[in-house]
Amino acid sequence: KQEVTQIPAALSVPEGENLVLNCSFTDSAIYNLQWFRQDPGKGLTSLLLIQSSQREQTSGRLNASLDKSSGRSTLYIAASQPGDSATYLCAAGIQGGSEKLVFGKGTKLTVNP
Amino acid sequence: DAGITQSPRHKVTETGTPVTLRCHQTENHRYMYWYRQDPGHGLRLIHYSYGVKDTDKGEVSDGYSVSRSKTEDFLLTLESATSSQTSVYFCAIRRGAGETQYFGPGTRLLVL
Repeated sequence: KQEVTQIPAALSVPEGENLVLNCSFTDSAIYNLQWFRQDPGKGLTSLLLIQSSQREQTSGRLNASLDKSSGRSTLYIAASQPGDSATYLCAAGIQGGSEKLVFGKGTKLTVNP
Repeated sequence: DAGITQSPRHKVTETGTPVTLRCHQTENHRYMYWYRQDPGHGLRLIHYSYGVKDTDKGEVSDGYSVSRSKTEDFLLTLESATSSQTSVYFCAIRRGAGETQYFGPGTRLLVL
């Protein structure tokens, strides 16, 4: 059974700092790895999707990497801003076809002005 | 915005009553998913659908049933609500193979 872990559960940083969020998964047979953002009381917003054949994806100040052999993904946020404060969730895509997602519990990020 | 709406957005009900949550999409995508989100557990898949009348179970399907009689609507039913089903329920759609899932705004359900 696939399990996804995110450490730390919470992170507080000053504005402008570069930071890394970590995600690990137990079964390397994933279809893809996705990162989402969730603001309080809201739904999830997709940030980046890395296919199993890819090593990384970039969008603006965000860069996500994937190392299937070690069961790890990282989300790098450059020059953090208070507006980046949210909970970040990673999810492993399993079972090609249905492409079900197994989620980690998230890292709550606070960027202080 | 992927054109996903959920109704109701908030509901309070009593133990033992039936409850139906609705997910509606405007883009005619094949795959739809129901998740629940709870503190300490994260998001967990309840059921999903891969077409009209085609559904399958997820990780936490006990106590829930689903129906999809039209492409645009995916219904989640709690036949007899229990307090353990108090949660936030999210619907999601997937536009195509290898694409991400787009989530609705969620329904907060409180079972007293």
